[in-house]
Amino acid sequence: QQQVKQSPQSLIVQKGGISIINCAYENTAFDYFPWYQQFPGKGPALLIAIRPDVSEKKEGRFTISFNKSAKQFSLHIMDSQPGDSATYFCAVGYTGRRALTFGSGTRLQVQP
Amino acid sequence: DSGVTQTPKHLITATGQRVTLRCSPRSGDLSVYWYQQSLDQGLQFLIQYYNGEERAKGNILERFSAQQFPDLHSELNLSSLELGDSALYFCASTGQGAPGYTFGSGTRLTVV
Repeated sequence: QQQVKQSPQSLIVQKGGISIINCAYENTAFDYFPWYQQFPGKGPALLIAIRPDVSEKKEGRFTISFNKSAKQFSLHIMDSQPGDSATYFCAVGYTGRRALTFGSGTRLQVQP
Repeated sequence: DSGVTQTPKHLITATGQRVTLRCSPRSGDLSVYWYQQSLDQGLQFLIQYYNGEERAKGNILERFSAQQFPDLHSELNLSSLELGDSALYFCASTGQGAPGYTFGSGTRLTVV
């Protein structure tokens, strides 16, 4: 059973546009929802994370929107820049020392 | 530099061989996680260690094994290698009570 489904697989956005990546999960027991950014040749890096007691979290140009009833969360990148071109992974997990389950990834390309 | 060190960065070996991948977690982090990243599988959780003890297992093959040593570094052993084992292998570490991972830069394994 796939615990988290991520879409789209790839995304092309013009510079200055809004990039939106979506994830849906199955298990309502999850209480930690991070997004990771990965550049070629590098390991994933934590971008932003949210817990289910809030519906939105914003850090700079990056925003997570969380819909607990729909079991969905999304990453919005405002004013997208060519430097944002990377692969983005959502993940689900639990507070504490348990393993995260990652989505399949979205390759974002921001065209200048 | 994320603080998580993985060696070697690249490894090329023949089918049937055995290799060892090494990971040094960020200073103070007790948990180490191993993930496999291949083109069509995303980030797949293999195994987790916490303070020297195995904590959780994911989709780890019987040909693979790992351990965490008293100095908290971890090794992932891959044996009887097959072409399909070619992938990026990442380790990540977390601190006490902090669910966010810090990833290393990975080891790219190529089995020929």
